[in-house]
Amino acid sequence: NAGVMQNPRHLVRRRGQEARLRCSPVKGHSHVYWYRQLPEEGLKFMVYLQKENIIDESGMPKERFSAEFPKEGPSILRIQQVVRGDSAAYFCASSESRNTEAFFGQGTRLTVV
Amino acid sequence: QKEVEQNSGPLSVPEGAIASLNCTYSDRGSQSFFWYRQYSGKSPELIMFIYSNGDKEDGRFTAQLNKASQYVSLLIRDSQPSDSATYLCAVNSEGNQFYFGTGTSLTVIP
Repeated sequence: NAGVMQNPRHLVRRRGQEARLRCSPVKGHSHVYWYRQLPEEGLKFMVYLQKENIIDESGMPKERFSAEFPKEGPSILRIQQVVRGDSAAYFCASSESRNTEAFFGQGTRLTVV
Repeated sequence: QKEVEQNSGPLSVPEGAIASLNCTYSDRGSQSFFWYRQYSGKSPELIMFIYSNGDKEDGRFTAQLNKASQYVSLLIRDSQPSDSATYLCAVNSEGNQFYFGTGTSLTVIP
């Protein structure tokens, strides 16, 4: 379960800049999930992707946020024109198939100043 | 709206006791059930998963599932101070995302 790699671990952005968060799933996993967590709060679902497809993006704000999981390379969560309220820990998880166990990466801590 | 409910706690137990963590879910179509442990400032770590009604044991941990009652629990025997963490219940139905509860904070008192 140590295979999900997220980078960067910490990211500082000024208001209005873009934040790009990367997630490389466990080798052989084709399902990726992104979650956001504020301090002392639970995990909030953002988006569920399978290779080249967005399966469920119901938890992702309609504006400024986008996600992709290309055929080759990591999954990317992109936040444009960041605001202070975007400051949070962003976790990525991957699973081998649709309802098998998911493993989390170490997270990216985004701070907007 | 699919929901996963957990008692937020905090739950405190003395060292060596059994800690019992509970979770209910709303979607009867749920097929897979997971318990994660999250230490403060760290990422969630999978500790148990269960797919069938009944009990599943792994070391000091036992997961219990009752689909008729839409209830899943985690028992931690011989609790240790290192078990102090937030425990997250997650539920999944095929083709969907994982739905997480808000977590139960457990403190094991030496």
